[in-house]
Amino acid sequence: DVKVTQSSRYLVKRTGEKVFLECVQDMDHENMFWYRQDPGLGLRLIYFSYDVKMKEKGDIPEGYSVSREKKERFSLILESASTNQTSMYLCASTSRTSGAYEQYFGPGTRLTVT
Amino acid sequence: QKEVEQDPGPLSVPEGAIVSLNCTYSNSAFQYFMWYRQYSRKGPELLMYTYSSGNKEDGRFTAQVDKSSKYISLFIRDSQPSDSATYLCAILSGYALNFGKGTSLLVTP
Repeated sequence: DVKVTQSSRYLVKRTGEKVFLECVQDMDHENMFWYRQDPGLGLRLIYFSYDVKMKEKGDIPEGYSVSREKKERFSLILESASTNQTSMYLCASTSRTSGAYEQYFGPGTRLTVT
Repeated sequence: QKEVEQDPGPLSVPEGAIVSLNCTYSNSAFQYFMWYRQYSRKGPELLMYTYSSGNKEDGRFTAQVDKSSKYISLFIRDSQPSDSATYLCAILSGYALNFGKGTSLLVTP
């Protein structure tokens, strides 16, 4: 069974802290994605990666960075957390060959920045 | 203008009703159209996808794409309380998916 796991379900951080969100997939997928989901705004793409050490900005990359050192792991970094980054963060992965339309999502991390 | 527009609802229907969920999109070059379902406190899961125009049926679910009007629809027949979820339309743009805002559906017994 395919699986995308995220390091935490719930996270509370203080303004200015550096925050790491980790995502691991066990499907040998090439492409990995980070989204945030907010009421009334839907799912918005932050960054994606189509290969190890490769990254592309999505629609809302400001205030975030990413790291992909291994194929199965994609990390989202908030360099200096702010209250407007309080959100649900969702990681996803997909195979480049079997169908980029089917993204497999993790359960999400609900981040609160106080 | 956002590439995919979707009415967020909420939509409440009685069990057994036919549900119609709709999205519009802006770029006529898009070819892959998806519907994802998201239960509370879970990540979205692919429900159905359609390539180009036409209909696709899977059990009680029918996905429809009208490229001439840039309109995508999901129909749910004989809706069940277990269908209560948020439904997100999406289009494939390069590597990434562009999602609508999602429509919250509640099916009441």
